[in-house]
Amino acid sequence: SQQGEEDPQALSIQEGENATMNCSYKTSINNLQWYRQNSGRGLVHLILIRSNEREKHSGRLRVTLDTSKKSSSLLITASRAADTASYFCATDEEGGSTLGRLYFGRGTQLTVWP
Amino acid sequence: DTEVTQTPKHLVMGMTNKKSLKCEQHMGHRAMYWYKQKAKKPPELMFVYSYEKLSINESVPSRFSPECPNSSLLNLHLHALQPEDSALYLCASSQRWLAGATYQETQYFGPGTRLLVL
Repeated sequence: SQQGEEDPQALSIQEGENATMNCSYKTSINNLQWYRQNSGRGLVHLILIRSNEREKHSGRLRVTLDTSKKSSSLLITASRAADTASYFCATDEEGGSTLGRLYFGRGTQLTVWP
Repeated sequence: DTEVTQTPKHLVMGMTNKKSLKCEQHMGHRAMYWYKQKAKKPPELMFVYSYEKLSINESVPSRFSPECPNSSLLNLHLHALQPEDSALYLCASSQRWLAGATYQETQYFGPGTRLLVL
C-alpha cells in the first residue's frame, strides 16, 4: 500500500512557535500534497509539491520533499491558535491510475495554545 | 467558485431507512469522489467518477450506491446501513491538468455529511 505515515501523530505547541510535521511514503510519486482538516469538517488543500521540486513556500507554510528518502515535511512558522487542526499528507502513485487517486497519511493533530 | 457543497450536514437514520447524500460543484471538474472518514482516521476512498462514469469502486458494500446524474452532481444512496457505517462522508472533486509530463491533482473537498446509523 502507498499509504503514508505521519510523524508525530500529535503535536502541541505555543502560539508563535514553529510546527514541523513529517510524512513518509512507500512508492514513487508524481506529486505530494498537504491538507488541513478542522475538527469534523472537510479537508482544505494547503500546498502541492511536484516530484521534481525540493521546496515550496506558501505564506507561513514551507514544504520540503526528499524523493530519495520518500519523505516530506510541512513547516508552519509563527503558529496561531487558528492553526489547530489535523494535517494530512497525500500522495499519488507514479505510473498509476490517471484518475487522481490519492493516498492519505494517518495525519498529525496539531494543537496551538494561546 | 471553488466550493463543493454537501447536503445534509447531519443525518440520523435507522438500519431500515433509505436516504441519500448529495454533493454539488460548479468548478467544471470532471472527477468526483466519495470518501468515508472515521474519527481520528484519514479519509478512505469509496468511489471515483470520471466524466460521469464510475471508474473506481473500492469494494464498497452494495448498501452504498453512488450516482452521478451530471457533471456537477454526485449522490450517494444509502440503504440498510449498519451502525458501523456511522462516519463523516466527504465528497471531493478535481480536474486533472498536465504540467510538463506530470499530472497534478488537487482535490477540493466539501464540508461533509455526519452520518449516524442507529
